[in-house]
Amino acid sequence: GDSVTQMEGPVTLSEEAFLTINCTYTATGYPSLFWYVQYPGEGLQLLLKATKADDKGSNKGFEATYRKETTSFHLEKGSVQVSDSAVYFCALSDSSYKLIFGSGTRLLVRP
Amino acid sequence: GAGVSQSPRYKVAKRGQDVALRCDPISGHVSLFWYQQALGQGPEFLTYFQNEAQLDKSGLPSDRFFAERPEGSVSTLKIQRTQQEDSAVYLCASSSRDRGSTDTQYFGPGTRLTVL
Repeated sequence: GDSVTQMEGPVTLSEEAFLTINCTYTATGYPSLFWYVQYPGEGLQLLLKATKADDKGSNKGFEATYRKETTSFHLEKGSVQVSDSAVYFCALSDSSYKLIFGSGTRLLVRP
Repeated sequence: GAGVSQSPRYKVAKRGQDVALRCDPISGHVSLFWYQQALGQGPEFLTYFQNEAQLDKSGLPSDRFFAERPEGSVSTLKIQRTQQEDSAVYLCASSSRDRGSTDTQYFGPGTRLTVL
């Protein structure tokens, strides 16, 4: 079945460092891909999405490009802030309704 | 406007008790989803409603789990005879369009269920 694999955390970075969180997927069709973020004490929020190959999703300085050839959707940010500390989930939807999530990557940014 | 709300936020149940978890989606949202999130894991799909119709319940782990959305708005997830393995955070999400779209799912804060 369809699945999402993302790098294990925690990822610990200093403020202003470059961030990459790897995400790869397995799907039989042409899924849409998502990154959700869960800040401490809050619910899941959509961070960005891409619906077809080579699309780039971006929001709040975060970017991810849908790479069909490598079945990847890696999350990047050029300069992280303490306020970016959260758990990040990569997800796919191949039927346009239910989401299939990875196990999450905790990011801790130190001042 | 108001987001998705869930109640209670925390629930402690003794093994064997029945529990009911409520979800109030964003007003007017057609689609409603329930997910289960075990500690340290990503959410896993349980069931999907389009208005009052339950179109997919393939993720419900056993026949002890039952969900309803009788008037196409508020939904209730019921777990009968709770077991320790049911301990998890139960997330509700809603979206404004029906399946076939990639519309954003908006998540509630979740209900943390602990079964002793």
